[in-house]
Amino acid sequence: DAGVIQSPRHEVTEMGQEVTLRCKPISGHNSLFWYRQTMMRGLELLIYFNNNVPIDDSGMPEDRFSAKMPNASFSTLKIQPSEPRDSAVYFCASSPSQGSYEQYFGPGTRLTVT
Amino acid sequence: KQEVTQIPAALSVPEGENLVLNCSFTDSAIYNLQWFRQDPGKGLTSLLLIQSSQREQTSGRLNASLDKSSGRSTLYIAASQPGDSATYLCAVMASGTYKYIFGTGTRLKVLA
Repeated sequence: DAGVIQSPRHEVTEMGQEVTLRCKPISGHNSLFWYRQTMMRGLELLIYFNNNVPIDDSGMPEDRFSAKMPNASFSTLKIQPSEPRDSAVYFCASSPSQGSYEQYFGPGTRLTVT
Repeated sequence: KQEVTQIPAALSVPEGENLVLNCSFTDSAIYNLQWFRQDPGKGLTSLLLIQSSQREQTSGRLNASLDKSSGRSTLYIAASQPGDSATYLCAVMASGTYKYIFGTGTRLKVLA
């Protein structure tokens, strides 16, 4: 398997623009997680899905952030409108289930909002 | 609220040394604890997963221990190599949440 795939790897956008980050989990994995990593706050969980259903979105910082998982092989994280403080590395991870299994991380998307 | 702390924040050692990285957490009601490695500009790679009922896990030169009652875990790296240079993160999954809380990491540099 190719592992968790994220696109784009790098995104530079201007404040106010819409940004969409994409993730393809490992085939057969039922749980998907979106994280954000910054120097100041470290790695934070934004939202996670189990069987395509959002289970916990308490980490989503504001209504400007939204995430969807229309099917088992695809998820998006959208920021609209983007702000400079959203600049971070966004990781997607998948796991065989939401229980006690390893999480497999994608390479991340480095987002810069100017 | 669960908080995870890692000490030291950075560590530099000569090749061949055995070393210990520390992770402490404030709430002992955990489901499991996982150690990750992160290389610069890359994602995280899972190293070891310890269930709450386990005391330790081993993989090659790595050994991770867990003491739930004291809220501590250690990652032991034997005979360190320059290829071990990376940031090491521990993450705790609180019981009933299925969410990992990450520590801020220990940046390790092994000198050749």
